[in-house]
Amino acid sequence: DAMVIQNPRYQVTQFGKPVTLSCSQTLNHNVMYWYQQKSSQAPKLLFHYYDKDFNNEADTPDNFQSRRPNTSFCFLDIRSPGLGDAAMYLCATSSGTDHNQPQHFGDGTRLSIL
Amino acid sequence: GEDVEQSLFLSVREGDSSVINCTYTDSSSTYLYWYKQEPGAGLQLLTYIFSNMDMKQDQRLTVLLNKKDKHLSLRIADTQTGDSAIYFCAEIPPSGGSYIPTFGRGTSLIVHP
Repeated sequence: DAMVIQNPRYQVTQFGKPVTLSCSQTLNHNVMYWYQQKSSQAPKLLFHYYDKDFNNEADTPDNFQSRRPNTSFCFLDIRSPGLGDAAMYLCATSSGTDHNQPQHFGDGTRLSIL
Repeated sequence: GEDVEQSLFLSVREGDSSVINCTYTDSSSTYLYWYKQEPGAGLQLLTYIFSNMDMKQDQRLTVLLNKKDKHLSLRIADTQTGDSAIYFCAEIPPSGGSYIPTFGRGTSLIVHP
């Protein structure tokens, strides 16, 4: 059974039209992450939540926002998507308290911009 | 700074062994991971190794760690076409209580008949 679920798997939006990607988890993990992955590149961390504490990476554009209303759900909002934001977006979770607990990833949402 | 490096491509024949290599720079890293990513999917944890170990074996997978050279390798025995994927090496440095991994760029493994 999938433990980190991302919806939708594929998302198409128009240039400049806001879009929201969602992630849910059944692991009860403290930490939830959002990554952006472009072709042939490593996942790039955008931000993460440790419980309710939000941690933004320094080079994450302001266009990207996130919400975590409860332990199970986390959302990625892209306010005005540009062509350069087309990518795979990966959600991951971890317990965060033990270094021997690796990240668990969802299957990703592939975002296309028209 | 932290940096994880991998070669970008590896091509092997079905049935042969594959060896994917990774180098890392943070000598204090305690945990090192291998993830597999199939097309259009997320990253799946394959295996991990603690820095106090030299080797870990799990069925067809063997992980070797050379701490002196900061070199990690993943060997896949009897490679199958289903092993074709991108393999990511990742480290979590223990300094400062960080739990954020640093990923390499991934090695694309191509298995041909």
